Amino acid sequence: QQQVKQSPQSLIVQKGGISIINCAYENTAFDYFPWYQQFPGKGPALLIAIRPDVSEKKEGRFTISFNKSAKQFSLHIMDSQPGDSATYFCAAIPWAAGNKLTFGGGTRVLVKP
Amino acid sequence: EPEVTQTPSHQVTQMGQEVILRCVPISNHLYFYWYRQILGQKVEFLVSFYNNEISEKSEIFDDQFSVERPDGSNFTLKIRSTKLEDSAMYFCASSGTGTGNTIYFGEGSWLTVV
Repeated sequence: QQQVKQSPQSLIVQKGGISIINCAYENTAFDYFPWYQQFPGKGPALLIAIRPDVSEKKEGRFTISFNKSAKQFSLHIMDSQPGDSATYFCAAIPWAAGNKLTFGGGTRVLVKP
Repeated sequence: EPEVTQTPSHQVTQMGQEVILRCVPISNHLYFYWYRQILGQKVEFLVSFYNNEISEKSEIFDDQFSVERPDGSNFTLKIRSTKLEDSAMYFCASSGTGTGNTIYFGEGSWLTVV
């Protein structure tokens, strides 16, 4: 029940294309869903996050879509750029401070020029 | 922008030795964490720390591991009697209050046990 399932494991997209990464969770105690971007040898960096009171959140080229009834959420990277090539982790956590993040398995995105 | 800083960035140690990984969390944060990432795998929770005590720990965090906040700024992870399988990237993280539970990660300490 603590797992967050993420797909696909890897993704290749052409420059300018759309990258879509999907995540699903089971634990209804989760009510904050961040996405982290990680470059090789670096720590995960918070990219964008959403709470379940909204169905979509957009920041620049990054959009999270959230389906509370299905317990699924996804990250869309519009107009993908080579600099977006990284590993993306979805995560879930209860909103209250001090709880731990549960990460998905990660998606390695490669944007070809 | 405030950040979590970690030292060392890379450490190589002999199997059976003790290592201490150090972290300086973001200054006004109250919750501190250690996570681990074995090469090519997902990030795994090890331990959380609040008010000078462990608030939660995972099954990975056994008696081999300990955490400490020796002063007002540092947060350390000690790994005793290291094993080959302890080789991983260790991330320190911190979060505050009043902003929900946004957790910020350091750049990591890469531990290689030989």
